[in-house]
Amino acid sequence: DAGVIQSPRHEVTEMGQEVTLRCKPISGHDYLFWYRQTMMRGLELLIYFNNNVPIDDSGMPEDRFSAKMPNASFSTLKIQPSEPRDSAVYFCASSLFGTAGQPQHFGDGTRLSIL
Amino acid sequence: GNSVTQMEGPVTLSEEAFLTINCTYTATGYPSLFWYVQYPGEGLQLLLKATKADDKGSNKGFEATYRKETTSFHLEKGSVQVSDSAVYFCALRRQTGANNLFFGTGTRLTVIP
Repeated sequence: DAGVIQSPRHEVTEMGQEVTLRCKPISGHDYLFWYRQTMMRGLELLIYFNNNVPIDDSGMPEDRFSAKMPNASFSTLKIQPSEPRDSAVYFCASSLFGTAGQPQHFGDGTRLSIL
Repeated sequence: GNSVTQMEGPVTLSEEAFLTINCTYTATGYPSLFWYVQYPGEGLQLLLKATKADDKGSNKGFEATYRKETTSFHLEKGSVQVSDSAVYFCALRRQTGANNLFFGTGTRLTVIP
């Protein structure tokens, strides 16, 4: 089975530009999560969706960040305008609600560098 | 609230040494507990899990036992290899409600030959 697919794997752009990160969850999963990982703050949950509906976006750092899930097989995380402090690795994960013990499955991440 | 506290790293061991990475949690009821591993340049991968008290999760020589009385889920391996060098994350999922995970800060393990 295909795992969680993220694109691009690497993104380098200049401050002020719009950045769009993409994620395709595992087919059939009903939860999707966006995380950010930095050396300083570790792994942070930004937002998660259940059945394409945003459930908790309290981790989204600022209004410059937005996330959408237009259908069950696609989600985007957008930063506009981008700033150097947004440089991080962004992970998408998906899971099936089901019974206790259902793990999250992570993509390989997008390494974002804002110059 | 729900939280996970992990042993601070980094941890450096010689090959074939015994490994313990401590993890304790705070949660109501009986959460599910997980260990994830992150190899350089990759995403997190599920290493093992346990869903109820006294369960032992195991995989690739790693083990962790769900201890309700001490609210702990320590990761152990009897003989580490260089290929085990990675960052290890302890995490919990609440017993009820949404299945978002609460992660620890991660422990970096380096195994030297």
